Amino acid sequence: EPEVTQTPSHQVTQMGQEVILRCVPISNHLYFYWYRQILGQKVEFLVSFYNNEISEKSEIFDDQFSVERPDGSNFTLKIRSTKLEDSAMYFCASSPNRDDQPQHFGDGTRLSIL
Amino acid sequence: TQLLEQSPQFLSIQEGENLTVYCNSSSVFSSLQWYRQEPGEGPVLLVTVVTGGEVKKLKRLTFQFGDARKDSSLHITAAQPGDTGLYLCAGVQAGSYQLTFGKGTKLSVIP
Repeated sequence: EPEVTQTPSHQVTQMGQEVILRCVPISNHLYFYWYRQILGQKVEFLVSFYNNEISEKSEIFDDQFSVERPDGSNFTLKIRSTKLEDSAMYFCASSPNRDDQPQHFGDGTRLSIL
Repeated sequence: TQLLEQSPQFLSIQEGENLTVYCNSSSVFSSLQWYRQEPGEGPVLLVTVVTGGEVKKLKRLTFQFGDARKDSSLHITAAQPGDTGLYLCAGVQAGSYQLTFGKGTKLSVIP
């Protein structure tokens, strides 16, 4: 069964450094998403992406965050200057369309900021 | 503001018992998903419900979407230790792309 894959599984970065998290969505899906889950808290929406542009973003997704689909298969999340509070699990998801088709999640990247 | 409230937060039961977990909101959702999440992994989709009053069955799991599309329930019949995990409900509101998650129900089924 097709799945969303994320790399790396764990990223350790010094505060203030840039980090790029990578995702390969399911191949025939058109909508892509990033979520994060701080330890012990609920999963929170960051951003959705469709047709090479951001379609919706949350208050968490400030100027330090950006997303890109650099080629036909990858979808990336960049954090420009990481802060301690960026430490979390980051999940990528994709869906065939927006309406009644569900989002499928990858296994996440654990980001640890030192 | 807790848009989606799940209850109970924790549930520990004996193998063979039945259980129901709830997902409630004051908001209307165009669709609602149930996921199961294991530690260190991403949420895995169990079911999607889109029509008010809809009931879907997945083996021993029965999912119901409320008539007003504001709430949902997950009923497990004859729970087994393999059902142990974190059950999450998540909904999409009309006109939005984002999934809003509840905090989850952590289920432990004791052999």
